[in-house]
Amino acid sequence: GAGVSQSPRYKVAKRGQDVALRCDPISGHVSLFWYQQALGQGPEFLTYFQNEAQLDKSGLPSDRFFAERPEGSVSTLKIQRTQQEDSAVYLCASSLSPAGEQYFGPGTRLTVT
Amino acid sequence: GESVGLHLPTLSVQEGDNSIINCAYSNSASDYFIWYKQESGKGPQFIIDIRSNMDKRQGQRVTVLLNKTVKHLSLQIAATQPGDSAVYFCAESLGGNKLTFGTGTQLKVEL
Repeated sequence: GAGVSQSPRYKVAKRGQDVALRCDPISGHVSLFWYQQALGQGPEFLTYFQNEAQLDKSGLPSDRFFAERPEGSVSTLKIQRTQQEDSAVYLCASSLSPAGEQYFGPGTRLTVT
Repeated sequence: GESVGLHLPTLSVQEGDNSIINCAYSNSASDYFIWYKQESGKGPQFIIDIRSNMDKRQGQRVTVLLNKTVKHLSLQIAATQPGDSAVYFCAESLGGNKLTFGTGTQLKVEL
């Protein structure tokens, strides 16, 4: 079956631009997670949704980062006024139940120039 | 593409040998642990998990060992194959929601 998909796969933004990254979770998965992975490091938690409710956003690095999942399915991670330190791979994961196995998408590689 | 494993500790093994990858986790309250495999340009792929009420769990060619006393997790891969070459991350969780990942180890399988 279809896994988690993310788009775009690659995004180049000039410093100061806004970007929107999309995640399509596995159909029926209740939980959705966003992680940020810097080059050569492990993923770091950003935020977590259960259906449309954002239950944990403790990992968002600044108020420039915003995530939504309005209908409990597709999610968008938005970064406003991008900075060079935002350059990373942004990974989305979904799980069938709140504490279930997380399935990761391929990620979106964001490069801020 | 850029390597996931840039600057990570590297373990080199001969094809057919067994591999052991180690991880120290940080939170003594964590109750769920997972090993992920990540190939370049891809997202992490689940390998095996273990809950804190166990100290060993076996899968196909893989075994995870958990030592809560010293907060140590290990992944053993039997008869390592070229397709096992990747970066391996351990992750810990309290309650099974957000994951905290370790540093990662690059596994290189030599023919």
